[in-house]
Amino acid sequence: EAQVTQNPRYLITVTGKKLTVTCSQNMNHEYMSWYRQDPGLGLRQIYYSMNVEVTDKGDVPEGYKVSRKEKRNFPLILESPSPNQTSLYFCASSLSAGALETQYFGPGTRLLVL
Amino acid sequence: GEDVEQSLFLSVREGDSSVINCTYTDSSSTYLYWYKQEPGAGLQLLTYIFSNMDMKQDQRLTVLLNKKDKHLSLRIADTQTGDSAIYFCAEILNTGKLIFGQGTTLQVKP
Repeated sequence: EAQVTQNPRYLITVTGKKLTVTCSQNMNHEYMSWYRQDPGLGLRQIYYSMNVEVTDKGDVPEGYKVSRKEKRNFPLILESPSPNQTSLYFCASSLSAGALETQYFGPGTRLLVL
Repeated sequence: GEDVEQSLFLSVREGDSSVINCTYTDSSSTYLYWYKQEPGAGLQLLTYIFSNMDMKQDQRLTVLLNKKDKHLSLRIADTQTGDSAIYFCAEILNTGKLIFGQGTTLQVKP
């Protein structure tokens, strides 16, 4: 079954404690991206990756890191989480940046930073 | 700068048409998209339009693009209660960056 998986689905943590949210896709997609969703602000792109070893900043990259060492995985790293990073996070993948009609979204990770 | 704007709320009666509007600022967009998000769920791609097209129809959905005014709209004909959701427009730039609007909450009253 084609899918994007994210882990964990829910996470409560404290300020400053490093965390990683994993994202994995099984469709051999080239384009992957991370978004955060906040009420009244819609979705904002954090980072995106056009292919392996190629990553670029989206609209709100501050406080986040990503890596794309393999095609299927695109982890989101919060080195020192802060309360303003409390949000709902979505990972997504598509065949390419120009083929978002093939885009799949993960189920979301709800993060609370105390 | 790059920006996508939508009105935040629209209320219609069941059976009426809904029109959700969106404006964008960056003229380098290649595709424009409409997504639907139901409560507690992720995003579902509804439809999309290539930036050199004016209109696209897909069953009850009609997308209109006015590239000169950088205005995009989504019309839902015969709106049903199951259409109640948040609708996001988004543009993808030629750099690969994807920008979403804030989302329009569509409320359909029986």
